[in-house]
Amino acid sequence: GENVGLHLPTLSVQEGDNSIINCAYSNSASDYFIWYKQESGKGPQFIIDIRSNMDKRQGQRVTVLLNKTVKHLSLQIAATQPGDSAVYFCAEKEGADGLTFGKGTHLIIQP
Amino acid sequence: DGGITQSPKYLFRKEGQNVTLSCEQNLNHDAMYWYRQDPGQGLRLIYYSQIVNDFQKGDIAEGYSVSREKKESFPLTVTSAQKNPTAFYLCASSTGANEKLFFGSGTQLSVL
Repeated sequence: GENVGLHLPTLSVQEGDNSIINCAYSNSASDYFIWYKQESGKGPQFIIDIRSNMDKRQGQRVTVLLNKTVKHLSLQIAATQPGDSAVYFCAEKEGADGLTFGKGTHLIIQP
Repeated sequence: DGGITQSPKYLFRKEGQNVTLSCEQNLNHDAMYWYRQDPGQGLRLIYYSQIVNDFQKGDIAEGYSVSREKKESFPLTVTSAQKNPTAFYLCASSTGANEKLFFGSGTQLSVL
């Protein structure tokens, strides 16, 4: 079946550096993508989303890039802070179908 | 404040017992969802409801039941038929079917 997955289960970065979290998807018909942040013991929080008619979208300190050719999604976090430590999930959907979630990447911030 | 409230935060179930997880939202969202999260796994959809008095099974509905008598409330019952209920349960809502989801803070269910 179609899957959404992440390349790296754990990513460790130095405080102040930029972080890049990657996500591969296999459904070429997916037209909506979303990133969530989940801290330990809490529910996921929306970070940023992007539709398939866009390649890039920026938020506050975050950027999502979508490469439809290779079916790749990435989340860039600028100037990583300790509060950015969390598990980050990507999710995708096609049309009116439900969201399909990836397993998550654990981002660890080194002081 | 607007949001989704799940209760309790922690819940323990004895063998053969049914337990009910509460989910309330004051966002005026039409759609509500229940997901199950296991360690190292993605979120898996249990049930969802797009309108009051209507709901559909998700990918792993067996052993669970729901009701949607009010727009604001979408309780989930974990029945004794669910043999592996230990997990983190997340409720979510959205303005429309499968649009951006807003999540509650979750309920950790464990078996005694």
